[in-house]
Amino acid sequence: EAQVTQNPRYLITVTGKKLTVTCSQNMNHEYMSWYRQDPGLGLRQIYYSMNVEVTDKGDVPEGYKVSRKEKRNFPLILESPSPNQTSLYFCASSLSGNGYTFGSGTRLTVV
Amino acid sequence: QKEVEQDPGPLSVPEGAIVSLNCTYSNSAFQYFMWYRQYSRKGPELLMYTYSSGNKEDGRFTAQVDKSSKYISLFIRDSQPSDSATYLCAMSAEAADLDSSYKLIFGSGTRLLVRP
Repeated sequence: EAQVTQNPRYLITVTGKKLTVTCSQNMNHEYMSWYRQDPGLGLRQIYYSMNVEVTDKGDVPEGYKVSRKEKRNFPLILESPSPNQTSLYFCASSLSGNGYTFGSGTRLTVV
Repeated sequence: QKEVEQDPGPLSVPEGAIVSLNCTYSNSAFQYFMWYRQYSRKGPELLMYTYSSGNKEDGRFTAQVDKSSKYISLFIRDSQPSDSATYLCAMSAEAADLDSSYKLIFGSGTRLLVRP
């Protein structure tokens, strides 16, 4: 089944403790992207990647890092999480850069 | 002012009604227009994808783009309780360089409730 898989689905962590949210797609898509979704603000792009080793900042990249060492994987790294990064995170992939397939989401709480 | 504006709703309609969902935008460079549906606790799923102006129909769903008014719409005919979800519009500009990724901008979503 064609899908985007992200893990974990739920995560509670403490301020400053580094964490990684993994994302993998099995559709051989070139483009991958990370979004966060907050009430009243909608989906905002954090980082995106056009291909292996090619990444760029989205609208809200502060406090996040990404890497794209393989085509299928696009992990999101929070080096020192803070409470304002509490959010619902989505990974997505696309063949063309527009019609994205989304993962099921990761609900992150930073206390 | 946000680049993409969308009424958050909720919009409540009886089963069988025609639903109209809308977004306005400010960036005249937007060329690609999408509608996503998001059920509670799920990721958004792509419903409709349109390039430039015009209409596109897919089953009970019709997407319209009016670039002169910077206004896009999604119509749902014969609405069903299973259509109850949040609907997100999204759009992007055409990249001048094919190697560049398109930056996708989302509306904040309209919550739709179809009553049986």
